[in-house]
Amino acid sequence: GAVVSQHPSWVICKSGTSVKIECRSLDFQATTMFWYRQFPKQSLMLMATSNEGSKATYEQGVEKDKFLINHASLTLSTLTVTSAHPEDSSFYICSARDSSGSGDTQYFGPGTRLTVL
Amino acid sequence: DAKTTQPPSMDCAEGRAANLPCNHSTISGNEYVYWYRQIHSQGPQYIIHGLKNNETNEMASLIITEDRKSSTLILPHATLRDTAVYYCIVRVGGGNQGGKLIFGQGTELSVKP
Repeated sequence: GAVVSQHPSWVICKSGTSVKIECRSLDFQATTMFWYRQFPKQSLMLMATSNEGSKATYEQGVEKDKFLINHASLTLSTLTVTSAHPEDSSFYICSARDSSGSGDTQYFGPGTRLTVL
Repeated sequence: DAKTTQPPSMDCAEGRAANLPCNHSTISGNEYVYWYRQIHSQGPQYIIHGLKNNETNEMASLIITEDRKSSTLILPHATLRDTAVYYCIVRVGGGNQGGKLIFGQGTELSVKP
């Protein structure tokens, strides 16, 4: 299957700082990427849909000014957690939608573990 | 998107087939059934998807009932590495109609020696 990478794989930051997470589709172009968050022992929760060249669409209850999403190219989307607080500590996972060929499948990155002290 | 119902957990003996059921009784005609799995602390891995017909790939088979209200994912010869949470998701396929994947709680499959 197609490969999606995330960087960094883990990050520890101080409260009040901002953290940027990158999501890249390595062998396909993705006009649409998605960002999820997962707390321990819970399922993935969709945060937002990121469309190349346009504004992201946020799910209800997700603060768009706190979780800034930029999808500047067909292979890269970034999520910036601004003014991070301990409650933002979570596992952040991106996915990229591969609409080429006969399929329409989302492939997930390996995730980024964020710890806010 | 239609909701799905899966058993919270299942056990399977190593080497045997693992049959994971999923109910999606409110599925619409243009909604696909997708299966992913997540091994602890990793991103979900795509397994297979289908619309109406049964599908098979190198990982698994997907059996969809004729009325499309339920499906079964079959891992033909389960190994210890297949221990994971398996998610059954239905979504509108293609184009700009959405394509969001909404995850439920999934089935935690434990493959035992």
